[in-house]
Amino acid sequence: DAMVIQNPRYQVTQFGKPVTLSCSQTLNHNVMYWYQQKSSQAPKLLFHYYDKDFNNEADTPDNFQSRRPNTSFCFLDIRSPGLGDAAMYLCATSQRQGDYNEQFFGPGTRLTVL
Amino acid sequence: GQNIDQPTEMTATEGAIVQINCTYQTSGFNGLFWYQQHAGEAPTFLSYNVLDGLEEKGRFSSFLSRSKGYSYLLLKELQMKDSASYLCAVMDSNYQLIWGAGTKLIIKP
Repeated sequence: DAMVIQNPRYQVTQFGKPVTLSCSQTLNHNVMYWYQQKSSQAPKLLFHYYDKDFNNEADTPDNFQSRRPNTSFCFLDIRSPGLGDAAMYLCATSQRQGDYNEQFFGPGTRLTVL
Repeated sequence: GQNIDQPTEMTATEGAIVQINCTYQTSGFNGLFWYQQHAGEAPTFLSYNVLDGLEEKGRFSSFLSRSKGYSYLLLKELQMKDSASYLCAVMDSNYQLIWGAGTKLIIKP
């Protein structure tokens, strides 16, 4: 089945220790998104790629970076995680940008910072 | 600024009907989405409205009034598995999704 896959599902890191979250998709979608979601809050868009065009949201901290080496894969790098970065990180894809742009989500990676 | 408002929590009884409201103020409008999110899981797509009116899909229906900046999600014949958070999201003029914080729906037997 075509899908969005995130690894790992649960990630524990130490304060200040870099961590990388990965996302892959078999949907062949052009657009990939990274969201951060904290408990009982709306998902917060961090980045999105339209093909290889990178778009950084204005309020995404510099501590977060992203890479998309090819259509199928996207990575989220957190250079120096703080306690406030503990959250669920959601990867999503959509076929294109534009109206009726349903986003398909991966299962998420829950990040714990000790 | 852009804003999506929906109730934080609602409680309903199994077998009953519940309506979850969403009001929005965004820069531009290119459609409104409803997603379901079970605890600890990713959101899954429920519905999309871009024109005024009611869209029905099985037990779930979604309504939109663009002039009022208002939508609702109607769930009929509630089942225990419908216990989840329901997120309203609006696509703005830049085709970005603006998300509400979600409504946690609790179903009681």
